[in-house]
Amino acid sequence: DQQVKQNSPSLSVQEGRISILNCDYTNSMFDYFLWYKKYPAEGPTFLISISSIKDKNEDGRFTVFLNKSAKHLSLHIVPSQPGDSAVYFCAAKGTYKYIFGTGTRLKVLA
Amino acid sequence: ETGVTQSPTHLIKTRGQQVTLRCSSQSGHNTVSWYQQALGQGPQFIFQYYREEENGRGNFPPRFSGLQFPNYSSELNVNALELDDSALYLCASSRYEGISEQYFGPGTRLTVT
Repeated sequence: DQQVKQNSPSLSVQEGRISILNCDYTNSMFDYFLWYKKYPAEGPTFLISISSIKDKNEDGRFTVFLNKSAKHLSLHIVPSQPGDSAVYFCAAKGTYKYIFGTGTRLKVLA
Repeated sequence: ETGVTQSPTHLIKTRGQQVTLRCSSQSGHNTVSWYQQALGQGPQFIFQYYREEENGRGNFPPRFSGLQFPNYSSELNVNALELDDSALYLCASSRYEGISEQYFGPGTRLTVT
């Protein structure tokens, strides 16, 4: 049973435009969420997080939105750059572990 | 500050063999978690070690075992390797047990033939 779902395996966006990556979760007890970025041959790198007491968190070009009633979060990247091309994982905080989605491969076209 | 390191980078083993993967945690971190990432999937939690004891375990059989040493480095041991064990094995360290932001190493790519 996949508790964290990323339904779009891939996304292509033109450089300079907005990238929106989506994530859904099933467990309403989750109270902390994170986004990780992964390049080939590297481990996942922490990008941004959000607590369930907030509905938005910004860090530079990256903004995460949380809709608790819909059990949905999204990562917005504005403006998108070619260096943003990577696999993005959404993760929910469990008791002592992270529960990851299957990832979305973002390709930013120059 | 030294990041999380893992060794070896790549490994090829035969079904039925045993393997040991190693991880050095980031400086100042006392908790290590191991994840398995199969092709096309997200990382799946195997277990976590805190103060040299297993602190939590995911849905993996007992042939997956681990150790944490006094310097907080860790090993993942897998016995009786199966073809489905082929995956990227990721180690992540964090400052405290329970949870805080986890910092991942580059992973060990294990291929079982």
